[in-house]
Amino acid sequence: SYDLTQPPSVSVSPGQTASITCSGDELGDKFASWYQQKPGQSPVLVIYQDRKRPSGIPERFSGSNSGNTATLTISGTQAMDEADYYCQAWDRIAVFGGGTKLTVL
Amino acid sequence: QVQLQESGPGLVKPSETLSVTCTVSGGSISSYYWSWIRQPPGKGLECIGDIYYSGSTNYNPSLKSRVTISIDTSKNQFSLKLSSVTAADTAVYYCARRARDGYFDYWGQGTLLTVSS
Repeated sequence: SYDLTQPPSVSVSPGQTASITCSGDELGDKFASWYQQKPGQSPVLVIYQDRKRPSGIPERFSGSNSGNTATLTISGTQAMDEADYYCQAWDRIAVFGGGTKLTVL
Repeated sequence: QVQLQESGPGLVKPSETLSVTCTVSGGSISSYYWSWIRQPPGKGLECIGDIYYSGSTNYNPSLKSRVTISIDTSKNQFSLKLSSVTAADTAVYYCARRARDGYFDYWGQGTLLTVSS
């Protein structure tokens, strides 16, 4: 089965840039998506097809994907960005990373 | 705006079959893939499987022997049945719309299903 690996936690100071990585075998050959999930809420798509933002997602969210690593970057991180973030790719079935808890402090 | 709403029993006994239905509003169920994803308490997301509006299905190999996903286009609904449940199947069950490229753009609010006697 295909696996995606994320760091369990990332911390960032307000206004700084947060980077969350997602690693998988030849992940760059697949499309990566990213979801934000706040406590008690459903996941929200923030990046799809590696780097595209859905309508309503702030420009401070960006994505890249190359080689074995996809990266979600949040520029000028705000307190409201504190959440769990999941990467996802498709390998005959949707596969999710284990999630990264982003702390803004 | 597409909206999805899960409905389920809340509590299921061990060894029984779990059933959840998702109702889609604000858009047609046709021409898209419709998925079930679950999240055990405090844990990550797991895709259970999906169904195309035509009825073709795709299941997670780890659950395939116990899963059936069906669709009723006349009611704009699709459903999940998971048989022989155990405590390990306790989770929030989400329905979601999947794009052809594999990402999930619309999600339901989720329904907590607890397996307990």
